[in-house]
Amino acid sequence: NAGVTQTPKFRILKIGQSMTLQCTQDMNHNYMYWYRQDPGMGLKLIYYSVGAGITDKGEVPNGYNVSRSTTEDFPLRLELAAPSQTSVYFCASSYGGVDGSGANVLTFGAGSRLTVL
Amino acid sequence: QQPVQSPQAVILREGEDAVINCSSSKALYSVHWYRQKHGEAPVFLMILLKGGEQKGHDKISASFNEKKQQSSLYLTASQLSYSGTYFCGTADNYGQNFVFGPGTRLSVLP
Repeated sequence: NAGVTQTPKFRILKIGQSMTLQCTQDMNHNYMYWYRQDPGMGLKLIYYSVGAGITDKGEVPNGYNVSRSTTEDFPLRLELAAPSQTSVYFCASSYGGVDGSGANVLTFGAGSRLTVL
Repeated sequence: QQPVQSPQAVILREGEDAVINCSSSKALYSVHWYRQKHGEAPVFLMILLKGGEQKGHDKISASFNEKKQQSSLYLTASQLSYSGTYFCGTADNYGQNFVFGPGTRLSVLP
């Protein structure tokens, strides 16, 4: 049981390049999230999905796109990379909505560190 | 809108106690606490659902006052392993759109 797997772990991009961060979970979780964490700062929600084919914007969606064609995968696309997108990106999943149920906690991937130069 | 946390940072000696506060300007249906060690992903600590509810995890406990839209995390007799950044998190009434507070950096010294 791998949990939440993110690839790549590290990546350096040049300004204007594009790339996709991959996220896969094998826990049959319905909800998936993408967060970014700038150095020394908190976690900001980029996009989330409550099921295949359904996505919604979070706090900081500009410059990113997502898709959710399967329950397992939730890739994050960066178009025209900018230095401001230098950050650590975390993917997370939960079985259902993040409520008081003990089952609906977030499980995080190990993170993807992206540097844009 | 993300919740607010205080203090921003705390430095303790082993064995001392600390309190971290989390509040929101909007109605809270539940509050979640996570801890993140340097260079690692956040790890779940506990969830509080009902107003006035308290929970415990080892020597870490928390309370949630639904009416005041506040939660507090209590770290008792702190250990070196408690060092890290603590985040509270909240979701909307559908359990979606889960956002975190800015975090409280806790350093426990020998």
